[in-house]
Amino acid sequence: ETGVTQSPTHLIKTRGQQVTLRCSSQSGHNTVSWYQQALGQGPQFIFQYYREEENGRGNFPPRFSGLQFPNYSSELNVNALELDDSALYLCASRDSSTGANVLTFGAGSRLTVL
Amino acid sequence: AQTVTQSQPEMSVQEAETVTLSCTYDTSESNYYLFWYKQPPSRQMILVIRQEAYKQQNATENRFSVNFQKAAKSFSLKISDSQLGDTAMYFCAFMKPPNTGNQFYFGTGTSLTVIP
Repeated sequence: ETGVTQSPTHLIKTRGQQVTLRCSSQSGHNTVSWYQQALGQGPQFIFQYYREEENGRGNFPPRFSGLQFPNYSSELNVNALELDDSALYLCASRDSSTGANVLTFGAGSRLTVL
Repeated sequence: AQTVTQSQPEMSVQEAETVTLSCTYDTSESNYYLFWYKQPPSRQMILVIRQEAYKQQNATENRFSVNFQKAAKSFSLKISDSQLGDTAMYFCAFMKPPNTGNQFYFGTGTSLTVIP
């Protein structure tokens, strides 16, 4: 198993810019979800993708969007960055067919918006 | 809406001692899943233990065990024989039944420090 890998590890953007974060799911996992973790807080659910379609979304505006590719890798895109978007963005994958519902997390991408 | 509450922002324990981390949650669902995740300073979240709400027996994983009180909506984590490597943020998480949103809800975390 290769685990979940995310890139980039750190990045700095300015307000109004756009950012794309990438995630490679664990081998065999067909479901990927993205979480935002602000400093000192627990992860907040952004959205989830299954078979390349979004099938769950948290309380985040439309400028947060995503993609899942046939190889189960995924992207999180954030447009019109705001200062409050500064956070650790976590990607998590799981195999929905097992019923175990266990998330495997990546190490995250630390986004700083200036 | 589901909420998860961890009322202990920070805790400490002596090495080899036992510590219990608290978690309560609020839901109207009858079937769901509960988890404890650990986030060491290197920040990658790792599953510690998992509990299915329809199972009455408390889950155990080596030194980690839970006290699941469904009626009280309580899900505490007990760490026995604490080790230095247990130092981390611990997050309690709740998941609704599959195909009802697929969303995990996390608490705000408890920072545990194991003292040598």
